[in-house]
Amino acid sequence: GESVGLHLPTLSVQEGDNSIINCAYSNSASDYFIWYKQESGKGPQFIIDIRSNMDKRQGQRVTVLLNKTVKHLSLQIAATQPGDSAVYFCAETGGYQKVTFGTGTKLQVIP
Amino acid sequence: EAGVAQSPRYKIIEKRQSVAFWCNPISGHATLYWYQQILGQGPKLLIQFQNNGVVDDSQLPKDRFSAERLKGVDSTLKIQPAKLEDSAVYLCASSLTGTGTEAFFGQGTRLTVV
Repeated sequence: GESVGLHLPTLSVQEGDNSIINCAYSNSASDYFIWYKQESGKGPQFIIDIRSNMDKRQGQRVTVLLNKTVKHLSLQIAATQPGDSAVYFCAETGGYQKVTFGTGTKLQVIP
Repeated sequence: EAGVAQSPRYKIIEKRQSVAFWCNPISGHATLYWYQQILGQGPKLLIQFQNNGVVDDSQLPKDRFSAERLKGVDSTLKIQPAKLEDSAVYLCASSLTGTGTEAFFGQGTRLTVV
């Protein structure tokens, strides 16, 4: 069936460096993409979203890039901080707001 | 603004027993979701409500799982009888009506079936 997946299960980054988390999706009908951050023992927390008619969106220290040609999504975190350590999920939605999550990437920030 | 409330936080039961989880969404949110998150995996949608109607329950194991959202506010998810593979975190989320709106998650209920 349709799925959303991630290239790397674990990413280690030095504090202060930029992080890039990648995601591939397979449902070409998806029209809305979301990045969630999940800390241990907590539910997923919304970070940033992007619609399919956009290719880039920026937030505070985060940027999401969407490449519909190759069905690829990425999350860039600038000046990574220890508090950014968590599991990051990309998710996609089509009609009726059904949200499908990928398996997640664990970001480890090295002090 | 109060977030999504779930209870209990933790539950340990023996296989073949029954268990129920409760969720109170953010006030005014018409859409409510129940997700199952097995350790090391992303959340999997079990059921989605729009007010008190079911929008999607295609991945809900209906022989043992049931959910209801009476009056379109609070919701309960029940498992009867539980199996070992049901051990997971059960997450409730809610969102405003409309395509592409942000879903807010509760802290989840960690279920361990022994």
